[in-house]
Amino acid sequence: DAGVTQSPTHLIKTRGQQVTLRCSPKSGHDTVSWYQQALGQGPQFIFQYYEEEERQRGNFPDRFSGHQFPNYSSELNVNALLLGDSALYLCASSLNPAGGYTFGSGTRLTVV
Amino acid sequence: GIQVEQSPPDLILQEGANSTLRCNFSDSVNNLQWFHQNPWGQLINLFYIPSGTKQNGRLSATTVATERYSLLYISSSQTTDSGVYFCAGQGGSEKLVFGKGTKLTVNP
Repeated sequence: DAGVTQSPTHLIKTRGQQVTLRCSPKSGHDTVSWYQQALGQGPQFIFQYYEEEERQRGNFPDRFSGHQFPNYSSELNVNALLLGDSALYLCASSLNPAGGYTFGSGTRLTVV
Repeated sequence: GIQVEQSPPDLILQEGANSTLRCNFSDSVNNLQWFHQNPWGQLINLFYIPSGTKQNGRLSATTVATERYSLLYISSSQTTDSGVYFCAGQGGSEKLVFGKGTKLTVNP
């Protein structure tokens, strides 16, 4: 049973560019959440998708956007990248919005 | 909003020692999870434990919901237990809020 899979694993982008990160949830899970983890910090909630809609959002600017597809997979898009966007981006899936979360291995984004 | 506090922030052990990590959480939390983040960044789900006690091998966790705390016990620690341990709280269907973590180093 595949867990949560994220791609790519590592990414280097230039300031001002745009990036798309992808996540496939664990089999049977329908809710996907995205987190940003800066070095030495705990993960910070970006947003959550359920039934293809954004149902919750953390304190992140509109440069961060997402999408959930009918097969429950999800994308995180970040526009106009800043140096401060460099972080580990984690995707988590759950059986429903209130369920226990399973995390992927993350995408490490470096903005130069 | 949800608040989660962990202690201690750092812990250094010799292999074979036991340890207890603590997580205090606010009234609005009704679901709690413990995670282990290994040196490669992978967050491993250890326990989903809104209340009561669970055990998995050398690890066990207890959440006393009425007193708003949870404890993670690691017995006979091994070097592979090193990493950062996070607890995270959730209120209903709200977002998962993480504490700042406890960095555990187990020396051989």
